[in-house]
Amino acid sequence: QQQVKQSPQSLIVQKGGISIINCAYENTAFDYFPWYQQFPGKGPALLIAIRPDVSEKKEGRFTISFNKSAKQFSLHIMDSQPGDSATYFCAASMTGGSEKLVFGKGMKLTVNP
Amino acid sequence: DTGVSQDPRHKITKRGQNVTFRCDPISEHNRLYWYRQTLGQGPEFLTYFQNEAQLEKSRLLSDRFSAERPKGSFSTLEIQRTEQGDSAMYLCASSPGTGNTEAFFGQGTRLTVV
Repeated sequence: QQQVKQSPQSLIVQKGGISIINCAYENTAFDYFPWYQQFPGKGPALLIAIRPDVSEKKEGRFTISFNKSAKQFSLHIMDSQPGDSATYFCAASMTGGSEKLVFGKGMKLTVNP
Repeated sequence: DTGVSQDPRHKITKRGQNVTFRCDPISEHNRLYWYRQTLGQGPEFLTYFQNEAQLEKSRLLSDRFSAERPKGSFSTLEIQRTEQGDSAMYLCASSPGTGNTEAFFGQGTRLTVV
């Protein structure tokens, strides 16, 4: 049973466009929702994260929107650039215990020049 | 460089051999995690250390796998009698402590079992 479901699996956008990646989670005990960016052959790098006490968080061109009642959250990348071409993973964890991350399957983003 | 460091970056081994990977976390981080990532998938949790204590292990961590974190500093992950199904990227992550779940990943060790 996959606890964090991510969609779409891949996305192609033009430079300057908006990229939107969606995630849904099962476990209502999750209280930390990060997004990671991964380039081929590299480890995941933390982009931005949100906790359920806020509905939106913005950092530069990246915005997370969070809907607690729907158990969904999304990443919006504004003014997408070719350098944003990577695989994006949503994840979730719960405070206390190991605080291990449960990841979605990832979305490969291609930004065409 | 003060990030999470993993060694080696790549390892090719024959089936049945033992391999060991090393992770050096960010120095002030007392939490250390090992994850495994296969092609086209997200990382999957393997095990977790709080300082030198191994506090949680995934069912993915068969008895051929063992991890240590002596003195709460670097960690090693050993796979005995490797199988082709062990081929994956092994990722190490560290985080500062309870309530701060911001985890930083290393570059990973790519294992290929032939």
